[in-house]
Amino acid sequence: GNSVTQMEGPVTLSEEAFLTINCTYTATGYPSLFWYVQYPGEGLQLLLKATKADDKGSNKGFEATYRKETTSFHLEKGSVQVSDSAVYFCALSPYNFNKFYFGSGTKLNVKP
Amino acid sequence: DGGITQSPKYLFRKEGQNVTLSCEQNLNHDAMYWYRQDPGQGLRLIYYSQIVNDFQKGDIAEGYSVSREKKESFPLTVTSAQKNPTAFYLCASSPSSPGHTNYGYTFGSGTRLTVV
Repeated sequence: GNSVTQMEGPVTLSEEAFLTINCTYTATGYPSLFWYVQYPGEGLQLLLKATKADDKGSNKGFEATYRKETTSFHLEKGSVQVSDSAVYFCALSPYNFNKFYFGSGTKLNVKP
Repeated sequence: DGGITQSPKYLFRKEGQNVTLSCEQNLNHDAMYWYRQDPGQGLRLIYYSQIVNDFQKGDIAEGYSVSREKKESFPLTVTSAQKNPTAFYLCASSPSSPGHTNYGYTFGSGTRLTVV
């Protein structure tokens, strides 16, 4: 089956700290992988994506690499800002099938 | 600009009432979806539709109903049969053609439903 597992939050960091949010997946075939971000009271916004093994998605200083050998798609950022405080969701979409599987979300709190 | 519009942003329902949440998109996307989000939890799929006049149940369809009479619109009705409807509801859309799954979803800004 298809599923996504994320590290539990909340994650609390000081401004300019290094961020890693772990995400592992189980999938049949070759899925596409995504990170979404949700700010308080809002919908989800696509942060970055990767569609095949070894692809690196990047946006706004965030990066994640599609690792088929470890079935992982960890989110990283070298220096977080207070404005990065949000909930981050890892998701997968099986190839050729328009349905997404979301992780449970990881809340990030960045303190000044 | 293209996007998805959900309305209302906040909705209050009395016990035993049906309420309908609106979702409209002007992205020309074929597929539309409804998710439910509870505090501190992930997203759970309620219903989805790949084409007009067709839709499928998701993981938690009981107590909900949908229609897809137009490509742009996918309203969700929360019926009185839904025993715990208080949640944040998110609508999403995506291109539906095979091979387009890597585009990802576009989400609306959500409707917060509270039973009073």
